Amino acid sequence: KAGVTQTPRYLIKTRGQQVTLSCSPISGHRSVSWYQQTPGQGLQFLFEYFSETQRNKGNFPGRFSGRQFSNSRSEMNVSTLELGDSALYLCASSLAGDSGNTIYFGEGSWLTVV
Amino acid sequence: KNEVEQSPQNLTAQEGEFITINCSYSVGISALHWLQQHPGGGIVSLFMLSSGKKKHGRLIATINIQEKHSSLHITASHPRDSAVYICAVRAGSYQLTFGKGTKLSVIP
Repeated sequence: KAGVTQTPRYLIKTRGQQVTLSCSPISGHRSVSWYQQTPGQGLQFLFEYFSETQRNKGNFPGRFSGRQFSNSRSEMNVSTLELGDSALYLCASSLAGDSGNTIYFGEGSWLTVV
Repeated sequence: KNEVEQSPQNLTAQEGEFITINCSYSVGISALHWLQQHPGGGIVSLFMLSSGKKKHGRLIATINIQEKHSSLHITASHPRDSAVYICAVRAGSYQLTFGKGTKLSVIP
């Protein structure tokens, strides 16, 4: 059974550009959540999707957005990139996203903004 | 807002030692996760707890709901256990709140 797949693994962008990251959850999982990890702030919740609906959103500016498709695959987008957006972006999937489900993380996408 | 505190921040142990990592949180939760992150980024879920105790191999996780406290124990530690261990809690919503992590180094 394939795990959570994130693409691309590494990318370098310039300030002001925008970036799209992709996440394919484990087959059968309908909940996908996104996290940002930086050395200073640690892991922080970005947003969570279930059946194409955003159920919760963390405390991030509107430049950060996401969506989920009917096949449960998800994308997140960051517009007008800032140096501080350099981070590891992690996606996780679970069956339904509630407290009874184990969460499975992808390997992450390393974003560097220069 | 739920605050999650982990201790210690850094831990160095000799191979074979018994290790304990602690996690405290400030509000009631529906579940607590212990996660392991190796260099390179990937995160593995070790345990999900809502009460009591769970054991998997040399790893044991306990939670005291009344005390709002959880511990992760590693028995007979090994250099391959070297990683960052992260506590995360869910308080009813679909959002996880994370501790800052404990960096464990096990020396042969």
